[in-house]
Amino acid sequence: QSMLSQPPSASGTPGQSVAISCSGSSSSIGSNTVNWYQKVPGAAPKLLIYSNDQWPSGVPDRFSGSKSGTSASLAISGLQSEDEADYFCAAWDDSLNGWVFGGGTKLTVL
Amino acid sequence: QLQLQESGPGLVKPSEALSLTCTVSGGSVSSSTYYWGWIRQPPGKGLEWIGSIDYSGYTYYNPSLKSRVTISVDTSKNQFSLKLSSVAAADTAVYYCARTTMDLSYYYYMDVWGKGTTVTVSS
Repeated sequence: QSMLSQPPSASGTPGQSVAISCSGSSSSIGSNTVNWYQKVPGAAPKLLIYSNDQWPSGVPDRFSGSKSGTSASLAISGLQSEDEADYFCAAWDDSLNGWVFGGGTKLTVL
Repeated sequence: QLQLQESGPGLVKPSEALSLTCTVSGGSVSSSTYYWGWIRQPPGKGLEWIGSIDYSGYTYYNPSLKSRVTISVDTSKNQFSLKLSSVAAADTAVYYCARTTMDLSYYYYMDVWGKGTTVTVSS
C-alpha cells in the first residue's frame, strides 16, 4: 500500500556511490517536499535529508537529496559498511491529506 | 536531545482495542511548533501513516483508518496516545511515534522517531 515507489534493493562496494529513487505523483512529490530516512534494525528511523535537499545537523554530506517533478533521489557517496541499512522516502500527499511513504530500499554494502 | 518511546501491550485479541502511548523526553508536547504522530509498518510491507495531533488537540487521520482511530495528547504527562478499535490480524505491525516539525518555507517533515513497538493481533 506504499504510495511512493522505491526499488526494493540496491548495492555497492565501499567507496562507491549509489543512488536510490523515489517516485510519486503530482499530489505528493509533485506538490510537496521529500524527506529521506535511514532505518537500522533495532533503532529508530533517522532523518537523513529533509525538504528535498537539506541536511539535519550531524548528517554527513556524503548523503544528498534531489527532486525533479514527481520523483526524488537519495545519493550516497563514499559508501561505508555502516551505510548498510533500509532507506525510505516520505512526502505529504495533498489528495490523501496525509503522509505517504516509500516501501523502502535495502542497501547492501558488498 | 528529544527522545520518543512507545509503550503498550504487545499482544491484542481480535475485535479488541489497541492502545499505545508515546512518552516524550527532552522536549514538550505542549509546544505549538510541532505535531505528534503515529506510523505503522506491517510485516513485509511499507510504512503507513495513521494520524497526527497538535498541542491543542487538533487531529487529522488517514482516511482508511479514520473510523477506528483516536489520537490524544496528555500535556501533564508529556505523552500522546493512539487507540485503534476493532483490531484484526491486518493491524499486526510495528508501531512508531514521531514528531513533525516544519522548515523555513513551512514544509513539514518528521524529524524524530521512536524505535517502534511490535503489536501482534491474535487470539
